[in-house]
Amino acid sequence: DAEITQSPRHKITETGRQVTLACHQTWNHNNMFWYRQDLGHGLRLIHYSYGVHDTNKGEVSDGYSVSRSNTEDLPLTLESAASSQTSVYFCASSGQAITDTQYFGPGTRLTVL
Amino acid sequence: GENVEQHPSTLSVQEGDSAVIKCTYSDSASNYFPWYKQELGKRPQLIIDIRSNVGEKKDQRIAVTLNKTAKHFSLHITETQPEDSAVYFCAASPGGSYIPTFGRGTSLIVHP
Repeated sequence: DAEITQSPRHKITETGRQVTLACHQTWNHNNMFWYRQDLGHGLRLIHYSYGVHDTNKGEVSDGYSVSRSNTEDLPLTLESAASSQTSVYFCASSGQAITDTQYFGPGTRLTVL
Repeated sequence: GENVEQHPSTLSVQEGDSAVIKCTYSDSASNYFPWYKQELGKRPQLIIDIRSNVGEKKDQRIAVTLNKTAKHFSLHITETQPEDSAVYFCAASPGGSYIPTFGRGTSLIVHP
């Protein structure tokens, strides 16, 4: 069955370190998204991609970057982790139609000490 | 850009009661309105959605209504059960965009 996976599921790192969170989907979806979820803020968009080699900034993109070298993967990199980036991160993907459902990955809980 | 307001932030009901969660949006170009349910420690999952050319949609105990003139839409859950306890998110997608803007969520607690 098609799915979307994230790794690692839990990560503890130190301030200033570079961290990469992986997202892999087998839906063959063109659209992929990264959100962070914090209490009281809901789901906030970090970056998104409409296809290979396409990346765009969301509302909270500072300190994060993504790259899209194939359809299946959209890794999220924290260039220099900060304590404010402690959060739960969700990857999502969706198909071609605007009304296509967004499917979310299981999430990665990141703690920056 | 789009702005979605969701109320209430917390809703507590007795099992068997109905629950209503309301959202408003700002962009009149929005034409797709999904609702997601997120159980504790789990991922958000779509439970129902509605398009702008439809006023109401039902799926068993769940219904969504849309008022485009007033720019608001609501989720209705009837005969609530303890397993309905979760955080519910509304979202609105502007025409031409694949990107939904999410409300901040409603924590629904159903007491047995």
